[in-house]
Amino acid sequence: SQELEQSPQSLIVQEGKNLTINCTSSKTLYGLYWYKQKYGEGLIFLMMLQKGGEEKSHEKITAKLDEKKQQSSLHITASQPSHAGIYLCGARSGGSNYKLTFGKGTLLTVNP
Amino acid sequence: GAGVSQSPSNKVTEKGKDVELRCDPISGHTALYWYRQRLGQGLEFLIYFQGNSAPDKSGLPSDRFSAERTGESVSTLTIQRTQQEDSAVYLCASSLTAGGYEQYFGPGTRLTVT
Repeated sequence: SQELEQSPQSLIVQEGKNLTINCTSSKTLYGLYWYKQKYGEGLIFLMMLQKGGEEKSHEKITAKLDEKKQQSSLHITASQPSHAGIYLCGARSGGSNYKLTFGKGTLLTVNP
Repeated sequence: GAGVSQSPSNKVTEKGKDVELRCDPISGHTALYWYRQRLGQGLEFLIYFQGNSAPDKSGLPSDRFSAERTGESVSTLTIQRTQQEDSAVYLCASSLTAGGYEQYFGPGTRLTVT
């Protein structure tokens, strides 16, 4: 079965700093999803990447997909306390067009 | 518009009791998913509904777990004879259809089995 490994597991940054979270798949990626979760809440959809080399941005968050490396990165520029939370990557497993496998998440803390 | 809603938000139950969790998907979304998130673990896929097609139940961990969906609306996840290892956050998601559309998640139901 497909496994997604996220790194780092947790991250503490000072407000205003840039940061990157990585998601590496053990198998070919068929669609990569990034979500954010605050404690006790559901997942908030951030971005979906479908093609190798694809890059998407929303406000200060940019995600890239490197199909050859079976990896995606999420980059936050000039972090703010509102960026704090758990970031989860998910991927369609085994080529399924609906079943998602998720990483264990990266806990981000942004200190003011 | 309204997002995915789930009820109850929290449920504490005694071992051996049955529980029923409810999910209201986004209106117009034909695909509905249930996931489980145990402490320190990633989300686990449980079951998938798409329109009137037979559901994909391949993620259900045991026959104590079952789920139903009425047409393209509400879904209920039932856990019979709950065990302590069933304690988790149960998340429901919906998408416009399958085929690579983003899945929108509800706030989850936190189940604690004592």
